[in-house]
Amino acid sequence: GESVGLHLPTLSVQEGDNSIINCAYSNSASDYFIWYKQESGKGPQFIIDIRSNMDKRQGQRVTVLLNKTVKHLSLQIAATQPGDSAVYFCAENGDGNKLVFGAGTILRVKS
Amino acid sequence: SAVISQKPSRDICQRGTSLTIQCQVDSQVTMMFWYRQQPGQSLTLIATANQGSEATYESGFVIDKFPISRPNLTFSTLTVSNMSPEDSSIYLCSVGGSVNQPQHFGDGTRLSIL
Repeated sequence: GESVGLHLPTLSVQEGDNSIINCAYSNSASDYFIWYKQESGKGPQFIIDIRSNMDKRQGQRVTVLLNKTVKHLSLQIAATQPGDSAVYFCAENGDGNKLVFGAGTILRVKS
Repeated sequence: SAVISQKPSRDICQRGTSLTIQCQVDSQVTMMFWYRQQPGQSLTLIATANQGSEATYESGFVIDKFPISRPNLTFSTLTVSNMSPEDSSIYLCSVGGSVNQPQHFGDGTRLSIL
């Protein structure tokens, strides 16, 4: 399939290491944030979300951190696996139900 | 979450023609959205597809170029009209996104205009 992330920043990590993907969001009024994973030829897949009344939320192998002071969101992936290779997008609900997507980051996992 | 099917999955079209993309959901949903993802870029919202009324378009997108239908709570279409090479993109539909709930996406339609 084609690549959707030809012009996006790339993070390369060794298999088994932890990955940290960062995102700066734009709207201080946003109160809900989502991380999506997009594999080649697929649509974005929901990973994890967080509301603005929280600063950390954990899922299976993933943790999202929210710093509202500096409008920063991060996604941590523990023990990164080759199947984690994809493009990762953060999104914020800037206006009601509408989502505003960040630029995206390519994650490449080296075996 | 809902299963979202888009047709066609990809197409190659001649400039000046139009293509209608279908989005079918396996359950009734209130909110449906259409996005564009240009090559190597992120997703941009085109419009919110409203059931029983006209779609709500985002800045930079107009109904004449991207007419949308939403005849019921499980189906929507997006037409890309009078296509030019600049319209070559992935077009995605999504559903859900009520307050503090994530949107879920179909796999998109990969459109190339020659």
